[in-house]
Amino acid sequence: QVQLQESGPGLVKPSQTLSLTCTVSGGSISSGSYYWSWIRQPAGKGLEWIGRIYTSGSTNYNPSLKSRVTISVDTSKNQFSLKLSSVTAADTAVYYCARDLGPYDWFDPWGQGTLVTVSS
Amino acid sequence: DIQMTQSPSSLSASVGDRVTITCRASQSISSYLNWYQQKPGKAPKLLIYAASSLQSGVPSRFSGSGSGTDFTLTISSLQPEDFATYYCQQSYSTLSITFGQGTRLEIK
Repeated sequence: QVQLQESGPGLVKPSQTLSLTCTVSGGSISSGSYYWSWIRQPAGKGLEWIGRIYTSGSTNYNPSLKSRVTISVDTSKNQFSLKLSSVTAADTAVYYCARDLGPYDWFDPWGQGTLVTVSS
Repeated sequence: DIQMTQSPSSLSASVGDRVTITCRASQSISSYLNWYQQKPGKAPKLLIYAASSLQSGVPSRFSGSGSGTDFTLTISSLQPEDFATYYCQQSYSTLSITFGQGTRLEIK
């Protein structure tokens, strides 16, 4: 079955760019009509959808983060990536990647999550 | 954005109890509503999609209902492994997918 795994730096300095990669295993990222999403969760708080990408490269972003977010896909590596610019302490969170299945856009499966701390 | 409001925010219950969690949307979302269970330190797990469809492998004591603006997640007989936080998620507006704030289910 499909599995997802996040990777990237666990510590990012304020004003810099957070970069994470999600590696998909057990299936091709290009197969099926799926979107691939990023979701985050600050400690002790709820879930916030960041955005998603289709394998064609089409993207949707959360309006509240749109000016700082870029999601890209590398089908040759079976990966998709997140870049979040100009980070502050408010961007400290566990970041999850997940497969987004339509037509009701539910998220399954999820990666295990990776904690990113923004601090100098 | 479509706002999703869950109630209660927290709930204490005993093993064997029937529990209902409510999720209300700020506008009609048809059946574009999904439910997740999250345990501490773990990623959320899909329970219910399209308001009432049970995800494969999820015990039948979980059920979902509703359409429009009001939805419920029901656990018919609580088991020890069900104590967790539950989230609803709307996908009617795919330009801005949103989650409820969560309902923490604790052991009484």
